[in-house]
Amino acid sequence: EADIYQTPRYLVIGTGKKITLECSQTMGHDKMYWYQQDPGMELHLIHYSYGVNSTEKGDLSSESTVSRIRTEHFPLTLESARPSHTSQYLCASSLQPNTEAFFGQGTRLTVV
Amino acid sequence: KQEVTQIPAALSVPEGENLVLNCSFTDSAIYNLQWFRQDPGKGLTSLLLIQSSQREQTSGRLNASLDKSSGRSTLYIAASQPGDSATYLCAVRPYGGATNKLIFGTGTLLAVQP
Repeated sequence: EADIYQTPRYLVIGTGKKITLECSQTMGHDKMYWYQQDPGMELHLIHYSYGVNSTEKGDLSSESTVSRIRTEHFPLTLESARPSHTSQYLCASSLQPNTEAFFGQGTRLTVV
Repeated sequence: KQEVTQIPAALSVPEGENLVLNCSFTDSAIYNLQWFRQDPGKGLTSLLLIQSSQREQTSGRLNASLDKSSGRSTLYIAASQPGDSATYLCAVRPYGGATNKLIFGTGTLLAVQP
């Protein structure tokens, strides 16, 4: 079983609030990723990191930001949540870019 | 641009049947292909990873094949059970690019009827 954890699993929050979605892995993986998935739709990469102090934006434009201060931790922050941010956010990690990817259980975010 | 397609979009079978899920991709320049399972509202569970140099991988009742030259992969599920009901996603990891990101298909929603 993959050792990658996301909290919270579900979050309902009001417009304008600042939120941080947590993602941690205990596998020592350097490569970490955030994907966004709307219901019934494909997963789209929004952020990735190749290691500590390395973060890049993915293909899908996102108003969220990420940080990578420790290898095991890759949090995603929304400074001011909006209803358009309502979605499922999935965190993943892999040892190398071309090795097996492991996903967390996801955070389902609803902004009202 | 790499595109991944999964057919069928949905499939309903009676318990005990063997079934095949299909995945096709447009660019054969890939490191590997990975099959995942996603239960409603949950994350992705890795099922099988096939490297580009491999033809197939097996895990229990699951067997995945890869034909890189034709851009196709299949996931074979033997003796299906109601617990197999989920969405099955395939994803390829292309060569090059800044991210070596996984590119996903839209999935096949499988329902196994008891």
